[in-house]
Amino acid sequence: DAGVTQSPTHLIKTRGQQVTLRCSPKSGHDTVSWYQQALGQGPQFIFQYYEEEERQRGNFPDRFSGHQFPNYSSELNVNALLLGDSALYLCASSLGGGPVYEQYFGPGTRLTVT
Amino acid sequence: GESVGLHLPTLSVQEGDNSIINCAYSNSASDYFIWYKQESGKGPQFIIDIRSNMDKRQGQRVTVLLNKTVKHLSLQIAATQPGDSAVYFCAEFRDNYGQNFVFGPGTRLSVLP
Repeated sequence: DAGVTQSPTHLIKTRGQQVTLRCSPKSGHDTVSWYQQALGQGPQFIFQYYEEEERQRGNFPDRFSGHQFPNYSSELNVNALLLGDSALYLCASSLGGGPVYEQYFGPGTRLTVT
Repeated sequence: GESVGLHLPTLSVQEGDNSIINCAYSNSASDYFIWYKQESGKGPQFIIDIRSNMDKRQGQRVTVLLNKTVKHLSLQIAATQPGDSAVYFCAEFRDNYGQNFVFGPGTRLSVLP
């Protein structure tokens, strides 16, 4: 049973560029949440996708957008990258689109913006 | 402002000793808390949870205590092992943040041989 997978593992981008990160949820899960984790800090909630729609959103600008596909996998897009966007981006999957009492995290994508 | 935080950013304990990791929260409306463990290069892993109508919950070698009076949460790890070395986060469920959690900054636990 595959857990949550994310790609790529590492990524280096230049300021102003755009990036797309990908996530496949744990088998049987239909809800995907994205978090940003800056170095030495706890994860910060970006948004959650369920039934191919953004259901909840944290305090992140519109440069951060996402998508969920019919197979429940998800993408996180960040436009006009800033140096401050450098972080570990975590995807977590859960079931049912409701309170994420039990969510499983992937290993993350390390994004470096230079 | 409201926040979930930790008293100690780092904690070093001898192998075999008990560890206590603390967390303070400020939103008395929070009704659910989770402790996560994050090892290097991995995503956070669920350890144990507790609801606000409980004071204590025990798992395998771990105990979470909740003191609502002082808005304090702690994670106790019995007989700490080298594999327990990681960063530990408490996370608070706040309804006004949508149905997701607010994480604290984390405490790094180092187990000494």
